[in-house]
Amino acid sequence: AQTIHQWPVAEIKAVGSPLSLGCTIKGKSSPNLYWYWQATGGTLQQLFYSITVGQVESVVQLNLSASRPKDDQFILSTEKLLLSHSGFYLCAWSPDISYEQYFGPGTRLTVL
Amino acid sequence: AQSVTQPDARVTVSEGASLQLRCKYSYSGTPYLFWYVQYPRQGLQLLLKYYSGDPVVQGVNGFEAEFIKSNSSFHLRKASVHWSDSAVYFCAVSNSGGSNAKLTFGKGTKLSVKS
Repeated sequence: AQTIHQWPVAEIKAVGSPLSLGCTIKGKSSPNLYWYWQATGGTLQQLFYSITVGQVESVVQLNLSASRPKDDQFILSTEKLLLSHSGFYLCAWSPDISYEQYFGPGTRLTVL
Repeated sequence: AQSVTQPDARVTVSEGASLQLRCKYSYSGTPYLFWYVQYPRQGLQLLLKYYSGDPVVQGVNGFEAEFIKSNSSFHLRKASVHWSDSAVYFCAVSNSGGSNAKLTFGKGTKLSVKS
């Protein structure tokens, strides 16, 4: 069975500080990977997707970047946080020929 | 462009009552439709999906949804709700499968079940 793990569970950061969020998929080789952002009480917005190691496509620019250093790892980062970055960040994966996406437990980010 | 409308931000029902959560989508191609559930402070869990075939699809925990193409709708139903069904429910449509599938979500419906 596939498992998806996100870290950290929660972060409280200052405006202007750097950020790195991680996501790891176990039990599935070469998954498609996605990052989503959810404003508090809001809907989900896809930020990035990756179909292979080293390749990341941006869907929405929010002064964030993403990287895929390993087949099973997806990293979301920024050098300078804004207040508007607060929210819930979700990583998701899908099999390469399927349509549904499976979500991780999420990371709650509070920027003060 | 694709979009999803969930017209009810909040729904309250009594335990044991039937439930319908509404979803309408807009997409010019063949839609791939999903319902997800999000419990407080957790990620999303897939409830059910529709790709083709029988327009009524069964999901987990007694949920089902019906695809009505003429109405561009994909409403979620349950015959008898339990207090543990209290959560936020998201309807979503995908533009395609494969490597760059993009899920577009509705704004969600918060379901509260009264005991």
